[in-house]
Amino acid sequence: KQEVTQIPAALSVPEGENLVLNCSFTDSAIYNLQWFRQDPGKGLTSLLLIQSSQREQTSGRLNASLDKSSGRSTLYIAASQPGDSATYLCAVRSNQGGKLIFGQGTELSVKP
Amino acid sequence: EAGVAQSPRYKIIEKRQSVAFWCNPISGHATLYWYQQILGQGPKLLIQFQNNGVVDDSQLPKDRFSAERLKGVDSTLKIQPAKLEDSAVYLCASSLARTSGSNEQFFGPGTRLTVL
Repeated sequence: KQEVTQIPAALSVPEGENLVLNCSFTDSAIYNLQWFRQDPGKGLTSLLLIQSSQREQTSGRLNASLDKSSGRSTLYIAASQPGDSATYLCAVRSNQGGKLIFGQGTELSVKP
Repeated sequence: EAGVAQSPRYKIIEKRQSVAFWCNPISGHATLYWYQQILGQGPKLLIQFQNNGVVDDSQLPKDRFSAERLKGVDSTLKIQPAKLEDSAVYLCASSLARTSGSNEQFFGPGTRLTVL
């Protein structure tokens, strides 16, 4: 049974810092991995999707990496801003049409 | 392109009452998902539809939860009777049913249910 864990559960940093969020999964047989952002009271916004054959994806100040063999992914946020404050969730999918299995999220607070 | 629509956005009911949520997926998306997100946790899949057929409902508490997707477009999720532990955000998502590619899921804003 696939399990996804995110560490830390919460993180507070001053504005401008670079930071890394961690995601680990127990079964390396994944189809893809996705990072989401969730603002309070809102739905999920997809940030980056990494296919199982890829090692990383980049979008603006965000970079996500995937190491399937070790069951790990990281989300790197460069030059953090207060607007980055949100909960970040990672999710894995085991097959093409299947469900997403989510971690519990990391709540990020970026202080001005 | 319009996103996934959900209503209502908020609902407060007493335990043992019934409640229904509605979802309208992105046009052309054949696959529809309902997730339950309890406070402090990640979303958990309740049910997945492919057109109007059920693909996965293994984690749906069938004694009280039901869902349908008539005509393969809109979907409703019902809880009857509600329990305190059903308090959560109910998220609807949809994706294209392609035979290749990412089949990325797009999420609606969710319905926040409070059971008193």
